[in-house]
Amino acid sequence: TQLLEQSPQFLSIQEGENLTVYCNSSSVFSSLQWYRQEPGEGPVLLVTVVTGGEVKKLKRLTFQFGDARKDSSLHITAAQPGDTGLYLCAGDSGGSNYKLTFGKGTLLTVNP
Amino acid sequence: NAGVTQTPKFQVLKTGQSMTLQCAQDMNHNSMYWYRQDPGMGLRLIYYSASEGTTDKGEVPNGYNVSRLNKREFSLRLESAAPSQTSVYFCASSRVSGYTFGSGTRLTVV
Repeated sequence: TQLLEQSPQFLSIQEGENLTVYCNSSSVFSSLQWYRQEPGEGPVLLVTVVTGGEVKKLKRLTFQFGDARKDSSLHITAAQPGDTGLYLCAGDSGGSNYKLTFGKGTLLTVNP
Repeated sequence: NAGVTQTPKFQVLKTGQSMTLQCAQDMNHNSMYWYRQDPGMGLRLIYYSASEGTTDKGEVPNGYNVSRLNKREFSLRLESAAPSQTSVYFCASSRVSGYTFGSGTRLTVV
């Protein structure tokens, strides 16, 4: 079983601060995705990264895929209360069937 | 544009009772999945269906059965519910670049 370790598990910051969350594995993934989940809802896809070293930006969110395709990071600039939620990374190991392995998530709280 | 629809949203069962969780997608996706989400455990795959007519076990299949009724619908059945099956259940469907999740079913087994 391929494992994805996310850190930190919990993060509480003030509005306007910057933060980075990490997603690490000893396994190589063909792609990696980040999701955000709000209370009472299902996860919503934010981004997919495919190429080692790839960087994608989504407004104040910056996603990076490690060169070896084993790890990823999510950086949020000037966090806002609307960024509060559970951030999940998920990896696709490839193969004939498309199914994702999820990390346990980082619960982010942004206080006004 | 409904996406993935799950029913019911909430359910309380007594130990030993059975029930079926329903899931339907309107995005013409081939693959569908059932996950459970528990505190500290993350999302764990129960069963998945790569295409209509096929189903496969995931990480935690014991105590569950599934049916891929057609391309749109994928149901999850608990034949004899146990307290350990108290959880939030999510259905998802996918194109290769990502999953679309339903809003979940919160199940409590007492």
